[in-house]
Amino acid sequence: RKEVEQDPGPFNVPEGATVAFNCTYSNSASQSFFWYRQDCRKEPKLLMSVYSSGNEDGRFTAQLNRASQYISLLIRDSKLSDSATYLCVVNGLGDGTASKLTFGTGTRLQVTL
Amino acid sequence: EAQVTQNPRYLITVTGKKLTVTCSQNMNHEYMSWYRQDPGLGLRQIYYSMNVEVTDKGDVPEGYKVSRKEKRNFPLILESPSPNQTSLYFCASSPLEGLDGIYEQYFGPGTRLTVT
Repeated sequence: RKEVEQDPGPFNVPEGATVAFNCTYSNSASQSFFWYRQDCRKEPKLLMSVYSSGNEDGRFTAQLNRASQYISLLIRDSKLSDSATYLCVVNGLGDGTASKLTFGTGTRLQVTL
Repeated sequence: EAQVTQNPRYLITVTGKKLTVTCSQNMNHEYMSWYRQDPGLGLRQIYYSMNVEVTDKGDVPEGYKVSRKEKRNFPLILESPSPNQTSLYFCASSPLEGLDGIYEQYFGPGTRLTVT
């Protein structure tokens, strides 16, 4: 089983739709969680951190479920500019290396007119 | 402007010809890291450094070397490149905070390497 697993997609949605991505992680000792956004062949950029209580930033909502070991990202009112690959990132997989970030392979989102 | 820079951005080379990809950050970050990105495999960590003169292997260190002689620079060295090292490479830096260590990583623009 991969340490961090995501559905690769692509998710093709019309503008204005709501779309949700999930990401599962294998190690229950993982400490912190993030969503990064990556545009085609460009560098990843932090979209948002994921807190235990859930957090929202405009149209984006991130949630963490430690019991089931998954995190989610919800995008409301999708825009064409949201088209990108969304990377799930987990920090500190319990082997003593809290300095290690592990990236999922990403979920590709395509928003269309 | 706060940034991570990498050079070169594109490189085509031949098997066995030593090369260095430079990485520099101007944010005084303690933590720096190298990743490679391949289709279907995502970003995989090659090496990382917690501070000057402190480096450690990531998930795929074979065939690579790094050094951290100054805080701002973290070059990636391929002593004898092979075609399976053809990839998109990213350097990243981050401040170290608290017990968890790593929060936001700032990435360089990437280096596309082709080894023939």
